[in-house]
Amino acid sequence: NAGVTQTPKFRILKIGQSMTLQCAQDMNHNYMYWYRQDPGMGLKLIYYSVGAGITDKGEVPNGYNVSRSTTEDFPLRLELAAPSQTSVYFCASSPGTIGHEQYFGPGTRLTVT
Amino acid sequence: AQTVTQSQPEMSVQEAETVTLSCTYDTSENNYYLFWYKQPPSRQMILVIRQEAYKQQNATENRFSVNFQKAAKSFSLKISDSQLGDTAMYFCAFMKPPSNTGKLIFGQGTTLQVKP
Repeated sequence: NAGVTQTPKFRILKIGQSMTLQCAQDMNHNYMYWYRQDPGMGLKLIYYSVGAGITDKGEVPNGYNVSRSTTEDFPLRLELAAPSQTSVYFCASSPGTIGHEQYFGPGTRLTVT
Repeated sequence: AQTVTQSQPEMSVQEAETVTLSCTYDTSENNYYLFWYKQPPSRQMILVIRQEAYKQQNATENRFSVNFQKAAKSFSLKISDSQLGDTAMYFCAFMKPPSNTGKLIFGQGTTLQVKP
């Protein structure tokens, strides 16, 4: 049982490039989330999904896109990377929403230069 | 909109001593959940403790306990017998049910250093 996995661990992008951050969970959780954490700050929600085929915007969705074709996978796409997207990105999953714990992946550190 | 505020950016404590981290939140809801998450240098987010707003009894987990003051909208974390492994950033988070999304709103975090 690997929990929540994220790839890559680190990435450097040039301005204007695109990339996909991968997230997978093997706990059969319906709920999945993408957060970003800027230096010295708390996590902010980018997008979330309540099940396969269903996604919605969080607090800071601009510049990102997501898809959820399976229960296990929830990739985050960055189009036209900008320096403001330099951050650490966390994926999380949860079995439910009523007070349930969210299980986090190890994060991806992204630098855009 | 709900907000979560952690007013102590950094704190330090001697090993074996007790430390309290503060958290306040703003909401008009009556029923909700509050969490403390720990983020050690490894970056892995780990749940420390959870409190349900409709429960008056403060949650405890071994050396970790909370002081939940609903009227004051305060949710502090007390760490007893601090250990070097408690060195981490601690985040307070708010979840509003009966939302069907489970979204968390995080505070800015408090960096705790436990000194030998």
